[in-house]
Amino acid sequence: AQRVTQPEKLLSVFKGAPVELKCNYSYSGSPELFWYVQYSRQRLQLLLRHISRESIKGFTADLNKGETSFHLKKPFAQEEDSAMYYCALAGDGGATNKLIFGTGTLLAVQP
Amino acid sequence: EADIYQTPRYLVIGTGKKITLECSQTMGHDKMYWYQQDPGMELHLIHYSYGVNSTEKGDLSSESTVSRIRTEHFPLTLESARPSHTSQYLCASSDTGIGYNEQFFGPGTRLTVL
Repeated sequence: AQRVTQPEKLLSVFKGAPVELKCNYSYSGSPELFWYVQYSRQRLQLLLRHISRESIKGFTADLNKGETSFHLKKPFAQEEDSAMYYCALAGDGGATNKLIFGTGTLLAVQP
Repeated sequence: EADIYQTPRYLVIGTGKKITLECSQTMGHDKMYWYQQDPGMELHLIHYSYGVNSTEKGDLSSESTVSRIRTEHFPLTLESARPSHTSQYLCASSDTGIGYNEQFFGPGTRLTVL
């Protein structure tokens, strides 16, 4: 079954500390993976996707097929990074454009 | 301005009432989606549409129904609301193209059924 697991409901770090938000997936084929973010009082929006292989707001995520992981990382957290982060999987290569979401991790960056 | 609109933003209603949650987009997108999200839980796809007169049930079974008579409009209806329907409902839309197309989300409707 297709599944996305985010083991941490809350991750609290201090400003300037490194951040790693964990995401593991279960999918037998070749997945497309994404990170969506929701800042306070804002809409859910796409942060980055693995095929882009780009850094957005200092965040990067590498797809590790061996470990079936897609962890989100940032070397130095900023207070404005505080938000809810969701990992998501397009389980059919984007054919239907449907997404499977994880339960989300709330990142709290302390000053 | 291209956007996705959801109304109402908050709704508190009694058991047994019929409700319609509105979703409209001016993005020019063909595909639209409804997600349900309980507090602290993941978003679950409950309905989606590839275009006018096309509707499909999502991965999570829902007692709600949807319609797609116009490209820009994708309302969700509950014929008889129950407390178990209390949740946040998110509408999204996306373009049509090769591979995955980014989904753009509306602000959501928070529904409480007493």
